Amino acid sequence: GEDVEQSLFLSVREGDSSVINCTYTDSSSTYLYWYKQEPGAGLQLLTYIFSNMDMKQDQRLTVLLNKKDKHLSLRIADTQTGDSAIYFCAESIERAGNMLTFGGGTRLMVKP
Amino acid sequence: KAGVTQTPRYLIKTRGQQVTLSCSPISGHRSVSWYQQTPGQGLQFLFEYFSETQRNKGNFPGRFSGRQFSNSRSEMNVSTLELGDSALYLCASQTGHHINTEAFFGQGTRLTVV
Repeated sequence: GEDVEQSLFLSVREGDSSVINCTYTDSSSTYLYWYKQEPGAGLQLLTYIFSNMDMKQDQRLTVLLNKKDKHLSLRIADTQTGDSAIYFCAESIERAGNMLTFGGGTRLMVKP
Repeated sequence: KAGVTQTPRYLIKTRGQQVTLSCSPISGHRSVSWYQQTPGQGLQFLFEYFSETQRNKGNFPGRFSGRQFSNSRSEMNVSTLELGDSALYLCASQTGHHINTEAFFGQGTRLTVV
């Protein structure tokens, strides 16, 4: 079945790197996504990675995918207070069309 | 290019009433999916519409329904509202069905059932 899990909370100091982790169970995942949600707002797509890739870098964001362990991570370099938010990973699988299965979200707190 | 537009942003309804939420996808996008977000259950998939047809459905009771119009705008309806239906309802816009592309979300409609 489909199950996506994330740790609940991460606290870092401004300027440090943040690493948010996610595990998934469905090996037929095709795309894996990272979304950011600020209070009272919708979901902002940060980045995504296709399942045949190992890594994707986009400015301060680096996504690492370990297909063998079904582990996905999002690294935010030089974390800023504006990065404080809830981060969701999500997977899509080919047989489910456009349906996304989300993790429970990781609340990132950045201390000045 | 306009983003995904959801209306209304906030809604308060009484138990037993029904409600209709609207989502206008990004211009040119033909797939609209709906999600319910609650503190207890997180983000859960409701259904997806593409070319005016429901293509996929999540595990929600029949009180939750939707439709899509020829201009790709979508509505979802919840009948006989229950307190547990209080949630943030989000819609996602994608270019097509069975094409795993970026899903862009609207700001959501916050429904409170009292």
